[in-house]
Amino acid sequence: SQQGEEDPQALSIQEGENATMNCSYKTSINNLQWYRQNSGRGLVHLILIRSNEREKHSGRLRVTLDTSKKSSSLLITASRAADTASYFCATDASGSGGSNYKLTFGKGTLLTVNP
Amino acid sequence: KAGVTQTPRYLIKTRGQQVTLSCSPISGHRSVSWYQQTPGQGLQFLFEYFSETQRNKGNFPGRFSGRQFSNSRSEMNVSTLELGDSALYLCASSFWGNSYNEQFFGPGTRLTVL
Repeated sequence: SQQGEEDPQALSIQEGENATMNCSYKTSINNLQWYRQNSGRGLVHLILIRSNEREKHSGRLRVTLDTSKKSSSLLITASRAADTASYFCATDASGSGGSNYKLTFGKGTLLTVNP
Repeated sequence: KAGVTQTPRYLIKTRGQQVTLSCSPISGHRSVSWYQQTPGQGLQFLFEYFSETQRNKGNFPGRFSGRQFSNSRSEMNVSTLELGDSALYLCASSFWGNSYNEQFFGPGTRLTVL
């Protein structure tokens, strides 16, 4: 079963607007990572946030993590047509610094940015 | 630094055949993981290798196997292919393969089983 669940499943916005995607998970985690996938291609790593962090920024990306609610959000500011892709959250619940690295993915949010 | 590479990128096989996919991790990375992506099941973990040892395995039948070589390159094999094995197979590498490292993915191998 999927550990992470992204919400919404699909999001359509205009260029220049902000896009917010949410991810909920079920068990305690060590970290949470966000990935982007363009139309059936490989996953591009966007950002990793550790369980002891609450917020992280990278360029136009802002990720928050609320471990008490078991949820994370990804904000893309000033979106561009090139941001059109599927976005996935992935959690690692292998134990503190665990060596059995296994990511569990949600089903993703399909973001469409209209020019 | 070159990214994760996977070969071949596309593959067409028929039921009953077997297939071998290859993955070269980022230089210096010792952990390699494999994932299967299908429209119905999404992204699912297959297995993870570190220093030529399988450390973790997902919930897939024994027809799915893998190995890792001393240079960290990895191969996965699927025997007796079924139609349901049609999927995008993704390989990912990380430095130590633990919770402190990001996992970086390759472009994937698109397998079609006819």
